[in-house]
Amino acid sequence: AQSVTQLDSHVSVSEGTPVLLRCNYSSSYSPSLFWYVQHPNKGLQLLLKYTSAATLVKGINGFEAEFKKSETSFHLTKPSAHMSDAAEYFCVVSDSPGTYKYIFGTGTRLKVLA
Amino acid sequence: GAVVSQHPSWVICKSGTSVKIECRSLDFQATTMFWYRQFPKQSLMLMATSNEGSKATYEQGVEKDKFLINHASLTLSTLTVTSAHPEDSSFYICSARGSINQPQHFGDGTRLSIL
Repeated sequence: AQSVTQLDSHVSVSEGTPVLLRCNYSSSYSPSLFWYVQHPNKGLQLLLKYTSAATLVKGINGFEAEFKKSETSFHLTKPSAHMSDAAEYFCVVSDSPGTYKYIFGTGTRLKVLA
Repeated sequence: GAVVSQHPSWVICKSGTSVKIECRSLDFQATTMFWYRQFPKQSLMLMATSNEGSKATYEQGVEKDKFLINHASLTLSTLTVTSAHPEDSSFYICSARGSINQPQHFGDGTRLSIL
């Protein structure tokens, strides 16, 4: 069965410093992986997706993630945090081929300190 | 591109009434739409999957007679919460995707409060 674990429920960084949000996955298939961001009282916005092409995936707003099969990880990074990055981030693995339903992580709340 | 519009964004109603939430894909055809429920400070819980022209598939534990889903066109799905009660109060989010291997795109959610 597919699953995803976000290792930190809360992360705090200072503005201008790097961001690292950690995600590990488990999948019986060649997985598709996604990072989404959710601002308060809003839906989810797609940051980036991995679908078995390049292992380093670049997304919007300066975010990127690296797929590491040996470590079953898909960590999200950004070189320099901005105040507007403060939000909830979800790592997602797609379910088995044929349905591609999403399996969500529990989320990481990113706080950016001035 | 890939914009999903959800309406209304906030609704307050009395216990016992029915509430309809609309989810529209504005610039693509959505063969599949999903309805989620999110409790405060929690992740999203999938309620049901709907394919255009077919009956929705509900997740285990979700009452299909309580949460009626219609996906009559490639750009519109509706969720009707029937005879709503305070325990149905929640944040409901829809998503839509084009083909099966494309990512889901989410609406902005509907905050439902039942008094």
